[in-house]
Amino acid sequence: GAVVSQHPSWVICKSGTSVKIECRSLDFQATTMFWYRQFPKQSLMLMATSNEGSKATYEQGVEKDKFLINHASLTLSTLTVTSAHPEDSSFYICSALQSRQETQYFGPGTRLLVL
Amino acid sequence: GEDVEQSLFLSVREGDSSVINCTYTDSSSTYLYWYKQEPGAGLQLLTYIFSNMDMKQDQRLTVLLNKKDKHLSLRIADTQTGDSAIYFCAESFRGGYQKVTFGIGTKLQVIP
Repeated sequence: GAVVSQHPSWVICKSGTSVKIECRSLDFQATTMFWYRQFPKQSLMLMATSNEGSKATYEQGVEKDKFLINHASLTLSTLTVTSAHPEDSSFYICSALQSRQETQYFGPGTRLLVL
Repeated sequence: GEDVEQSLFLSVREGDSSVINCTYTDSSSTYLYWYKQEPGAGLQLLTYIFSNMDMKQDQRLTVLLNKKDKHLSLRIADTQTGDSAIYFCAESFRGGYQKVTFGIGTKLQVIP
């Protein structure tokens, strides 16, 4: 149990386009999901906390208009990178909170390359 | 502030034990985690320990916590080539309810 999926796993796009990444909890409901970003040879940094039915909470330095988060259901959160630029190229990983275990389960990640 | 530090690289021979060390600064951390990340993949939760515990053992994995020194270690017994990966130490205050702060990761290389 406690499986989290992400789609797509890989995306290459042109500069200026928008990219949507989906995060799904497959076998549990998650009122809270988290979006992290990992640059090469660096650790994961939390970008935002996504709460079902309400606005996401962004970490300091993360532009909310650039990284749009929608948590429309108890099993799905989406991250849209708007007007992507090469510096947005990164590995984006989501996690979903399994409340009973008080544990975040992580998705496999989405690798974004902006040309 | 929150900070988690760990060494960048560890190389061991197959069959030996591996010990990966980590230090953290936030004394209010209540959950301490070890995650494994294989190349190009997401994170796999290996184990976690509550801050009121000293040790936790799970098959080949042993976690030791020295709360006074804010030092956490992960010992992998009988290390196998499949254990080659990056291991992240992480901490959080309220379990999964709040952000998990990660170290930079220790790359474990297992030599056959």
